[in-house]
Amino acid sequence: DVRMTQSPSSLSASVGDRVTITCQASQDIKNYLNWYQQKPGKAPKLLIYDASNLETGVPSRFSGSGSRTDFTFTINSLQPEDIATYYCQQYNNLPITFGQGTRLEIK
Amino acid sequence: EVQLVESGGGLVQPGGSLRLSCAASGFTFYNYAMNWVRQPPGKGLEWVSAISGYGGSTFYADSVRGRFTISRDNSKNTLFLQMNFLGAEDTAIYYCARSRDGYSFDYWGQGTLVPVSS
Repeated sequence: DVRMTQSPSSLSASVGDRVTITCQASQDIKNYLNWYQQKPGKAPKLLIYDASNLETGVPSRFSGSGSRTDFTFTINSLQPEDIATYYCQQYNNLPITFGQGTRLEIK
Repeated sequence: EVQLVESGGGLVQPGGSLRLSCAASGFTFYNYAMNWVRQPPGKGLEWVSAISGYGGSTFYADSVRGRFTISRDNSKNTLFLQMNFLGAEDTAIYYCARSRDGYSFDYWGQGTLVPVSS
């Protein structure tokens, strides 16, 4: 199975900050990497697909980059509504695997 | 508007069985592969199973293979997950999710909770 290692597991930032989360795959997954946002009590929401493509309707302050084994998710100018847990997910190989999640809090 | 609505969750005893359903609307159901993804309370996401649009191909996580069966009824726009020999480790919120372009989960249901306990 492809192991997805996210870091950090949690982070605290201020409104307006730039926030970066990384995700490392245990093997080459090309660009088959998605990012999801999950707010408490809600289902996950797809934000970024294929490593760097912004899902329709998602604000442009969210972005993703990377390929093969190393990926980055960025929120430019953090907003209060961005408080959530973020997950990376690979789909180059079955089984589909997710990172362990990054819990984002506001300072 | 795309909608996915799960049902069938509830308390089940260890060793028991349960059948989850996911009613889909707002899109051409048979054109999309569908998935089940679960989340133990307070923990991360785990992909469980997938089924192709016409149901001819199914895939499972090792943790559920041989115990869970995914199926779909395209005439009723409904996805199912038959879960047998349930154990405490299966306690989770179960989400159905639509696949787009491989396994990008672009729509999710609200989830249904399955606690396994005596």
